[in-house]
Amino acid sequence: EAGVAQSPRYKIIEKRQSVAFWCNPISGHATLYWYQQILGQGPKLLIQFQNNGVVDDSQLPKDRFSAERLKGVDSTLKIQPAKLEDSAVYLCASSSRQDSSTDTQYFGPGTRLTVL
Amino acid sequence: GESVGLHLPTLSVQEGDNSIINCAYSNSASDYFIWYKQESGKGPQFIIDIRSNMDKRQGQRVTVLLNKTVKHLSLQIAATQPGDSAVYFCAERDTGRRALTFGSGTRLQVQP
Repeated sequence: EAGVAQSPRYKIIEKRQSVAFWCNPISGHATLYWYQQILGQGPKLLIQFQNNGVVDDSQLPKDRFSAERLKGVDSTLKIQPAKLEDSAVYLCASSSRQDSSTDTQYFGPGTRLTVL
Repeated sequence: GESVGLHLPTLSVQEGDNSIINCAYSNSASDYFIWYKQESGKGPQFIIDIRSNMDKRQGQRVTVLLNKTVKHLSLQIAATQPGDSAVYFCAERDTGRRALTFGSGTRLQVQP
């Protein structure tokens, strides 16, 4: 079974520029998550999708961050404009069970963003 | 590869010894807990989970203990190997939510 795929693996941009990250979840997984992991910290949820609908985006800075999951499969996360404090690893995860309380989230390798 | 955490609490053990990594949580409404292992440059990897109606769960070389009274979770690794060196995160999930809240992590260093 192929894992969660993310691209690019690394991205360096200047502040105020825009950037987009892509995620392809494990085939058949209905739930997709984007997390932000700042160096030295645990991942923090940005947004959660169930199929192509948003379930939780309460911690997404909506003035600059946006995400979509068209057709309920792949997802993109965009930052526009980027700030220095957005430097972090952006992790995508997916899980399969829609109603279980114990479904496992599988993580991709992440995209390391550096904002200069 | 990227360093996951430069200033995390660090546990250093000798190869072959047992390791115990601790985690405190604060949300009494959490009903599901997971331990993840994260190696440098990689995403978190599932190790073991436990539901709140259990006190202990065992896997291959790993055991998770849950003490709901003091809101404490621990991960025990038996016969620690150099390949176990990584950052370990505990994560919890609130009843009714499906996203995880992660702890700050502990770096495990295994000395050969």
